[in-house]
Amino acid sequence: DQQVKQNSPSLSVQEGRISILNCDYTNSMFDYFLWYKKYPAEGPTFLISISSIKDKNEDGRFTVFLNKSAKHLSLHIVPSQPGDSAVYFCAASASNFGNEKLTFGTGTRLTIIP
Amino acid sequence: KAGVTQTPRYLIKTRGQQVTLSCSPISGHRSVSWYQQTPGQGLQFLFEYFSETQRNKGNFPGRFSGRQFSNSRSEMNVSTLELGDSALYLCASKDFVQGQETQYFGPGTRLLVL
Repeated sequence: DQQVKQNSPSLSVQEGRISILNCDYTNSMFDYFLWYKKYPAEGPTFLISISSIKDKNEDGRFTVFLNKSAKHLSLHIVPSQPGDSAVYFCAASASNFGNEKLTFGTGTRLTIIP
Repeated sequence: KAGVTQTPRYLIKTRGQQVTLSCSPISGHRSVSWYQQTPGQGLQFLFEYFSETQRNKGNFPGRFSGRQFSNSRSEMNVSTLELGDSALYLCASKDFVQGQETQYFGPGTRLLVL
């Protein structure tokens, strides 16, 4: 049972345009969400997070939107750059302080076309 | 600070053998989590150790075990290896980012079972 779903295994976007990566979850207990970026042969790198008390969090070119009623979150990257080409994982946790475990989606491979 | 380190980086074993993987967290981090990454399943949580105690466990068979030492270094052991155990094994240690715990991943150990 995949509690966190990334339904698009891949996405190609022109350099300079907006990249939108989507993630859906089923567990209503999840209240903290993160996006990780992964390059080949490296571990995932934390990108941005959002708590369920917010519906938007912005950090530079990256913005995460959370729609709790739809159990949906998205990551917007604007403008997209070639270095953004990577696999992006969304993750969720039901935070019990100090004891949360992350549940990951299967990832979306983003390719930025120069 | 140095990042999370994992050894070895690559490993080839045969079915039936056992394997031990090592993870050193970021200095000062006391929590270490282990994940298995496969193409079809994405990142799946194995277990988490904190102060030498396992405090969270995923849905993996008992062939997968771990431990943590007093210096927070952790080892993961897989006994009676199966072909399906071929995967990238990632460990992560935690820190606070914007008031929330965030995991920082090591580069992973790629295990191939023949």
